[in-house]
Amino acid sequence: DADVTQTPRNRITKTGKRIMLECSQTKGHDRMYWYRQDPGLGLRLIYYSFDVKDINKGEISDGYSVSRQAQAKFSLSLESAIPNQTALYFCATSDLYENNEQFFGPGTRLTVL
Amino acid sequence: AQTVTQSQPEMSVQEAETVTLSCTYDTSESDYYLFWYKQPPSRQMILVIRQEAYKQQNATENRFSVNFQKAAKSFSLKISDSQLGDAAMYFCAYRTPTGTASKLTFGTGTRLQVTL
Repeated sequence: DADVTQTPRNRITKTGKRIMLECSQTKGHDRMYWYRQDPGLGLRLIYYSFDVKDINKGEISDGYSVSRQAQAKFSLSLESAIPNQTALYFCATSDLYENNEQFFGPGTRLTVL
Repeated sequence: AQTVTQSQPEMSVQEAETVTLSCTYDTSESDYYLFWYKQPPSRQMILVIRQEAYKQQNATENRFSVNFQKAAKSFSLKISDSQLGDAAMYFCAYRTPTGTASKLTFGTGTRLQVTL
């Protein structure tokens, strides 16, 4: 089984709809991240969390919110989706002591029509 | 703020040949980490190699090696004996030392094609 899972893997939705992307991990890591990937722009950080009580904005948090329901779960919400939020979304985890590596989920392809 | 620049949007290499992907970064920190990630068509992000800034020795992982020039803030990836499976997007990434501000900053990526 994969260490970091994301659901759904693909999603098509309409402008104005509320969408939640979910991330779960079995690595036991405290730190979790949400990134967005756009062609020609690389990956950009949306939100990150260093433990259940710690939530921080990244460089492009406008239009997004997150919830850290448990150490293993970190959800990203788009309260009212818009077409320019069409992108590939990645969840990642890391541990303080695991060589600073971040482990990525398989990604969620989101299309907002 | 830290920035990472990959100036080669696309590169091409023949199978069995060697290719070098460029990456430069801007930081005022003296201690940090650098990474190269590979993203094949499956879109999974795969760590290729990492370099700690305090280490002078260049990291090597099988056919992958880096040329880390700290003063020049340059971190290039060399792929030797290129294989068809190396075809992918490659992202350079920077990370501050472990701590409350520790998070990855990515470059815009280089798409590598491998031809027969």
